[in-house]
Amino acid sequence: GDSVTQMEGPVTLSEEAFLTINCTYTATGYPSLFWYVQYPGEGLQLLLKATKADDKGSNKGFEATYRKETTSFHLEKGSVQVSDSAVYFCALTTKTSYDKVIFGPGTSLSVIP
Amino acid sequence: KAGVTQTPRYLIKTRGQQVTLSCSPISGHRSVSWYQQTPGQGLQFLFEYFSETQRNKGNFPGRFSGRQFSNSRSEMNVSTLELGDSALYLCASSLGAANTEAFFGQGTRLTVV
Repeated sequence: GDSVTQMEGPVTLSEEAFLTINCTYTATGYPSLFWYVQYPGEGLQLLLKATKADDKGSNKGFEATYRKETTSFHLEKGSVQVSDSAVYFCALTTKTSYDKVIFGPGTSLSVIP
Repeated sequence: KAGVTQTPRYLIKTRGQQVTLSCSPISGHRSVSWYQQTPGQGLQFLFEYFSETQRNKGNFPGRFSGRQFSNSRSEMNVSTLELGDSALYLCASSLGAANTEAFFGQGTRLTVV
């Protein structure tokens, strides 16, 4: 079945460090890919998305590129801030699954000053 | 426009009781999905409703049920509560077309004692 795998962390970085969170997926057909972020005590917020191969999603300094050949959608940010501390979820949907979002296990990120 | 609203935010129930959670989607959205989030299992899909019909269902026992009203508002019911039902329950709304992004509410934190 469709699934998402991502590094679980926790990840601890110093402010202004480079961030990479790896995400790979298994899906039939051509899924849409997403990164969601969850701040403490909050629901999920969509961070960025890509709907076809080689698309790059970007938002708030975060980027991820849809790589069909490696079935990956790694999240990157060049310089993290303390306010980026949160849990990050890689996710996908497929045309046949309608609005069922399949999530990875989440990666907890802590950024220290 | 207003986001996804879930009520109540917090709930404490006793084993064996039943509970009803409510979700009001973004205006114009016809699809509502429900997810259970626990530290051990992560984010798991419960079910999805579109135009008052259940269109997709996850692997949860029949104690978990839902419905959607003509105004797209949705309710989720859990009967005969168990300790393991303690979780954050998240609702998401979307337009309902394949691969459209989902917008999440802040969730209802259910504690079963």
